[in-house]
Amino acid sequence: DIQMTQSPSTLSTSVGDRVTITCRASQTIYNWLAWYRQKPGKAPKLLISKASTLESGVPSRFSGSGSGTEFTLTISSLQPDDFATYYCQQYTSYPWTFGQGTKVEIK
Amino acid sequence: QVQLVQSGAEVKKPGASVKVSCKASGYTFTTYPIHWVRQAPGQSLEWMGWINAGNLNTKYSQNFQGRVTITTDTSASTAYMELNSLRSEDTAVYYCARYDVAFAYWGQGTLVTVSS
Repeated sequence: DIQMTQSPSTLSTSVGDRVTITCRASQTIYNWLAWYRQKPGKAPKLLISKASTLESGVPSRFSGSGSGTEFTLTISSLQPDDFATYYCQQYTSYPWTFGQGTKVEIK
Repeated sequence: QVQLVQSGAEVKKPGASVKVSCKASGYTFTTYPIHWVRQAPGQSLEWMGWINAGNLNTKYSQNFQGRVTITTDTSASTAYMELNSLRSEDTAVYYCARYDVAFAYWGQGTLVTVSS
């Protein structure tokens, strides 16, 4: 199975800050990587697919980059709605796997 | 608009089975695969398997060792996930999700609690 490792696990930050989350795959996944945001008690919401394609309706403060084994999600200016947990997911090789999550919390 | 509506919460005893439904609307059901993902309390997401709603082909995670079965009722635009031989570690929220560009649409989740 492909292991997805996110860092950091927790990020204490403030509104307006620039936030970067990293996701590393244990083997190449080309660009078959998605990013999701999840709030407590809710289903995940797709932010980015194919490593860098912004989902329709997702604010432009979100961006994704990377290919192969290393990927990043950047939030250019954190908004109150962004305090949540973020997951990366690879969908190139079965079983599809998720990272362990990065919780973005208020400092 | 695309909607996936799941069945309600379940409480099961160890060794029992559970079948969760996912009713789709707002699109042609047979056009997109339906996947199932679960999330244990406080944990990350775990992919379980998927079904091609058009040709009924399935693919499952080996992590479930043959305990999971995904089916559809095309006439009702509904997908089902059945998990057998339940154990306490199967306590989780189970989600269905539609795949097109990754998982753009999700059900609201179904809490399955396994407890004696």
